[in-house]
Amino acid sequence: DAKTTQPPSMDCAEGRAANLPCNHSTISGNEYVYWYRQIHSQGPQYIIHGLKNNETNEMASLIITEDRKSSTLILPHATLRDTAVYYCIVRVAVDYGGSQGNLIFGKGTKLSVKP
Amino acid sequence: EAQVTQNPRYLITVTGKKLTVTCSQNMNHEYMSWYRQDPGLGLRQIYYSMNVEVTDKGDVPEGYKVSRKEKRNFPLILESPSPNQTSLYFCASSPRGTKFQETQYFGPGTRLLVL
Repeated sequence: DAKTTQPPSMDCAEGRAANLPCNHSTISGNEYVYWYRQIHSQGPQYIIHGLKNNETNEMASLIITEDRKSSTLILPHATLRDTAVYYCIVRVAVDYGGSQGNLIFGKGTKLSVKP
Repeated sequence: EAQVTQNPRYLITVTGKKLTVTCSQNMNHEYMSWYRQDPGLGLRQIYYSMNVEVTDKGDVPEGYKVSRKEKRNFPLILESPSPNQTSLYFCASSPRGTKFQETQYFGPGTRLLVL
């Protein structure tokens, strides 16, 4: 089972920031938080990942709480093309050779960006 | 261009007729994986492979086979397809070792209909 909890859907106005929350209260010390998105039946696309510090790249920012039990993905200026299902996933960072590194997708959050 | 390719992209077949969906990546990745996606159930892992000649079951392996004879290819085989295998299938790859925390790259998907 997925180790994360996300709201099933959210709306955001075009040009505004989209803030997508994720709860991962059972996260372990060696697990990273990953965010992927899937635009209507296309293959999932990597967005960002982090361990405990806030991260930013050209697509988004990731804010992780100090206790690491929750995080927020921020799309600073949402566009219509950001309409997608966003998945928050926790996963080990080190390859132990087993299945711990497999991505386990939950239901995600369906973000609808409206004009 | 770094990519994961799948063929065919669309396939309609009949119950019991063996089929193979091919997956190929040009990034020299060790790890490859197959997922299926169904409405309301999200993405579920079928099989994965840590390297050549090393494969293991995911969450929903029944009715599927895989092989990993070469690093770049990871075909998905349905020996006797049934209607409950009608789904959208994704192949993915990623590097192992110290880069394991990096992103998984997904293919464009194969939509399969079994009559």
